[in-house]
Amino acid sequence: AQTVTQSQPEMSVQEAETVTLSCTYDTSESNYYLFWYKQPPSRQMILVIRQEAYKQQNATENRFSVNFQKAAKSFSLKISDSQLGDTAMYFCAFMKTLKSSGTYKYIFGTGTRLKVLA
Amino acid sequence: DSGVTQTPKHLITATGQRVTLRCSPRSGDLSVYWYQQSLDQGLQFLIQYYNGEERAKGNILERFSAQQFPDLHSELNLSSLELGDSALYFCASSLTGYTEAFFGQGTRLTVV
Repeated sequence: AQTVTQSQPEMSVQEAETVTLSCTYDTSESNYYLFWYKQPPSRQMILVIRQEAYKQQNATENRFSVNFQKAAKSFSLKISDSQLGDTAMYFCAFMKTLKSSGTYKYIFGTGTRLKVLA
Repeated sequence: DSGVTQTPKHLITATGQRVTLRCSPRSGDLSVYWYQQSLDQGLQFLIQYYNGEERAKGNILERFSAQQFPDLHSELNLSSLELGDSALYFCASSLTGYTEAFFGQGTRLTVV
């Protein structure tokens, strides 16, 4: 069974500093997708970044980047130049398609609550 | 704005009642997912539809049911409501299984 583990329930970082959120996953599949979602206090779920497993290059979106280590099944999120608006819960998610049934499966981690300090 | 619309945004109802939550996916998206998020908890996958057909089922109670209509909007029906059903219910949509899911703003259900 696929699982997603976020081992850091809470983290804090000073404004303008860099922080890395960890995520590990377990799968026997070779083709899958990984995502980071952000949930600010408004509770809206916002897609931050995605990574296709077949791509070796790490995805980057402005101040957000990932360190994807396929062999280690690790998918960490780095936030550079942290801003107060980055304060949120961050969820790591794993997605794969079951070709036999055409079923798509998203599995979310339990989340890391990040607080950016002024 | 993700393009996914959920109504209503807030719902307060009594135990034992039945409610219907509605979701309109992004234009062109064929897949709809429903998730439940209790206070300070992670996302619990309930059910997924693709182009009108049920494709995956998670931890969805028998008191809950859902469907996706020909125009691709979806409804989640919750019946015989209990206090523990109070949660934020999210709908998400994606074009296919190989694309990211975009979430609606959620429906906050309070059962009193």
